[in-house]
Amino acid sequence: DTEVTQTPKHLVMGMTNKKSLKCEQHMGHRAMYWYKQKAKKPPELMFVYSYEKLSINESVPSRFSPECPNSSLLNLHLHALQPEDSALYLCASSYSGRGMGKLFFGSGTQLSVL
Amino acid sequence: GNSVTQMEGPVTLSEEAFLTINCTYTATGYPSLFWYVQYPGEGLQLLLKATKADDKGSNKGFEATYRKETTSFHLEKGSVQVSDSAVYFCALIGNYGNQFYFGTGTSLTVIP
Repeated sequence: DTEVTQTPKHLVMGMTNKKSLKCEQHMGHRAMYWYKQKAKKPPELMFVYSYEKLSINESVPSRFSPECPNSSLLNLHLHALQPEDSALYLCASSYSGRGMGKLFFGSGTQLSVL
Repeated sequence: GNSVTQMEGPVTLSEEAFLTINCTYTATGYPSLFWYVQYPGEGLQLLLKATKADDKGSNKGFEATYRKETTSFHLEKGSVQVSDSAVYFCALIGNYGNQFYFGTGTSLTVIP
């Protein structure tokens, strides 16, 4: 299994809603990432978990809350989002949290905030 | 610090044309270099990589050589196909930490 699976593929939410994005991998990777990608732009790093501990938070607003329940799962909890948060949210994983491995990406969740 | 600079797009080519997408980098130490491809509506897929100077990464007819002297990792393909239409991202990861640095992406459209 060489996949990173993300659900849902599409999500529409209002500014007062609470929703969660989910990501799963079964490759034994110990580093997992959340990226945000706006149209025609490169992915922007949001969070990195290394061995289930949050190791990087790129000054992301608190309305985004990551969670890593175990080494295979990564969640992103969303609350009180703004329309400018509409984007493609990509999950990725890698073998090593030491910067030597390649990233495996999921297909993303296309989020629209109304 | 670490950064990646990619040539501006979009690039439009006819089928069977030669492709070059330029990528240069700035990094401390000895980074690993990557090309990722993103097809419409999908996540990024690794296209090829090189981990040390003079390494050549290759896949699906695409090639890139890690040139330390010019800090470059240009992507080339001898004969593009319509199915190669996508956005291509150059990226690096340093020896320390686990942050990938992406270039701005180059959109390629191949017309029949």
